[in-house]
Amino acid sequence: DTGVSQNPRHKITKRGQNVTFRCDPISEHNRLYWYRQTLGQGPEFLTYFQNEAQLEKSRLLSDRFSAERPKGSFSTLEIQRTEQGDSAMYLCASSLDGNAEAFFGQGTRLTVV
Amino acid sequence: TQLLEQSPQFLSIQEGENLTVYCNSSSVFSSLQWYRQEPGEGPVLLVTVVTGGEVKKLKRLTFQFGDARKDSSLHITAAQPGDTGLYLCAGVKTSGTYKYIFGTGTRLKVLA
Repeated sequence: DTGVSQNPRHKITKRGQNVTFRCDPISEHNRLYWYRQTLGQGPEFLTYFQNEAQLEKSRLLSDRFSAERPKGSFSTLEIQRTEQGDSAMYLCASSLDGNAEAFFGQGTRLTVV
Repeated sequence: TQLLEQSPQFLSIQEGENLTVYCNSSSVFSSLQWYRQEPGEGPVLLVTVVTGGEVKKLKRLTFQFGDARKDSSLHITAAQPGDTGLYLCAGVKTSGTYKYIFGTGTRLKVLA
């Protein structure tokens, strides 16, 4: 399968813990996006990469959030000192370039208890 | 500020009925995608429209991009229970960043 892959699919963590999610984009896609989606809402943009460069970060991405794409392939999204409000589905997508179709992974469902 | 508004937000219809979902904005988009999402899964791309006035068909689904590339519609003919899901439109703006901006979503339920 050459689709976008996200791990883990589900994560339950205690408030205050750090969590890290991984996204493997479609091979040769140079753009990678992170979105957050809460129940019943459309995805909200968090950040995106062009190869290894992080080109934009949303105001939703507080100092507790950091994303990396060190070699321009897979990406990680880390949330430090998690809060209950961080509970959401975290979606990753990739596209060949900025104006091409974006394909999404299955998401990582985070629950902070 | 929500750049893309979808209507209706919720729709519950009987199998066999037709429906139309709208995606509206005051902004111009270089392209617009429609996705369907099921609970606990990521959005699945249905179609991309690029040219103003463009119409694309995918079996019983018809997608149209407005002439001014500010709005789009999705029409489903003879809806089936398998069409149930969250329908999302997402636009790419013509200037500035190329991130995808999502609409508010339309939750469709088709009853057998």
